[in-house]
Amino acid sequence: EAEVAQSPRYKITEKSQAVAFWCDPISGHATLYWYRQILGQGPELLVQFQDESVVDDSQLPKDRFSAERLKGVDSTLKIQPAELGDSAMYLCASSILSGGAWSTDTQYFGPGTRLTVL
Amino acid sequence: TQLLEQSPQFLSIQEGENLTVYCNSSSVFSSLQWYRQEPGEGPVLLVTVVTGGEVKKLKRLTFQFGDARKDSSLHITAAQPGDTGLYLCAGGKGGKLIFGQGTELSVKP
Repeated sequence: EAEVAQSPRYKITEKSQAVAFWCDPISGHATLYWYRQILGQGPELLVQFQDESVVDDSQLPKDRFSAERLKGVDSTLKIQPAELGDSAMYLCASSILSGGAWSTDTQYFGPGTRLTVL
Repeated sequence: TQLLEQSPQFLSIQEGENLTVYCNSSSVFSSLQWYRQEPGEGPVLLVTVVTGGEVKKLKRLTFQFGDARKDSSLHITAAQPGDTGLYLCAGGKGGKLIFGQGTELSVKP
């Protein structure tokens, strides 16, 4: 069964350092999402891609976070510099269709990257 | 302010008991999805409901979407230790999924 792949699974870094997370969605899925999940809360959308284009990055802290999906397949999320408050689980999800306004597209989640900033 | 409120936030029960988790909002959603998440893993989709009043059953789990498409419930019959996990509801709105804060369920043998 196809799955969303993420790496690394765990990352420990010191504040002010740069970190990067990688996601490979299910083959053929046009839409890719990055979420942040703080312990004890639900996931919050950071950025949504449709193929290689950003559809929504309104909740992405652009002063320190960046995301790209250059060839419309895999994606990288970067944080530079990392802050203590960035400690969280970073989840990647993908869906097959366009995610339109009345979409009920199923989103498939990867295992996540657990980031700890010291 | 949380757009989707889940209750209760924590639930600890004995094996064999029944339970209901609620997901409430003042907003209308195009769909409502329920996920289960285990520690250190990503959420796994359990069900999607799209029609007001819709009821779906998945073995011992029963999901209902409110008539006005603003709320939903998840009922588990005869809970088992394997049901332990974080249950998340998520509403579809404007092409996005908006998640509730989750209900942490612990089922003790």
